[in-house]
Amino acid sequence: AQSVTQLDSHVSVSEGTPVLLRCNYSSSYSPSLFWYVQHPNKGLQLLLKYTSAATLVKGINGFEAEFKKSETSFHLTKPSAHMSDAAEYFCVVRSPGGYNKLIFGAGTRLAVHP
Amino acid sequence: DSGVTQTPKHLITATGQRVTLRCSPRSGDLSVYWYQQSLDQGLQFLIQYYNGEERAKGNILERFSAQQFPDLHSELNLSSLELGDSALYFCASSVEGGLHTDTQYFGPGTRLTVL
Repeated sequence: AQSVTQLDSHVSVSEGTPVLLRCNYSSSYSPSLFWYVQHPNKGLQLLLKYTSAATLVKGINGFEAEFKKSETSFHLTKPSAHMSDAAEYFCVVRSPGGYNKLIFGAGTRLAVHP
Repeated sequence: DSGVTQTPKHLITATGQRVTLRCSPRSGDLSVYWYQQSLDQGLQFLIQYYNGEERAKGNILERFSAQQFPDLHSELNLSSLELGDSALYFCASSVEGGLHTDTQYFGPGTRLTVL
């Protein structure tokens, strides 16, 4: 079965320092993977997606993620954190079967300190 | 703004009652998805409709039902409500929802509180 594991429930960084949010996936075949962000009291916004093209995926707001099949990982990074990046981040895998069902990780809450 | 709208934003009701949540997809999107976000279960897929027909089911209780109308808006009906049904309910839409990995765009959610 498809699943994703977000390795950290909380990450705290200082403004201007790099961000690393870790995600491992489990899949019996090449998966489609996504990162979504949820700001407080807001809906979910797509940051980026991987669909078996380039392994390094660039998203919005300076975020990027690298698909590593050998490590079954899809970590999210950003070189320099902004205060506005404080939010909940979800690593997501698309379920097989052709119905576009999304399976969410438990989420990582990112705090950014001045 | 994703273009997906959900009403109402907040809903407070009592146990045993029935409520209806409404979702309007982005213009041109044929697929609608419903998800539930709760503290203990996280974000879970409930059900998907494509062009008026049920396409896939997830962890949706028998007390819950949904439908997609000819104008493509969707409603999620929750009945015999229990305290544990309190959650944030999201609707998402995508162009297809079939074999291709098209992007799902999420609405702002409806926060349901059952007292």
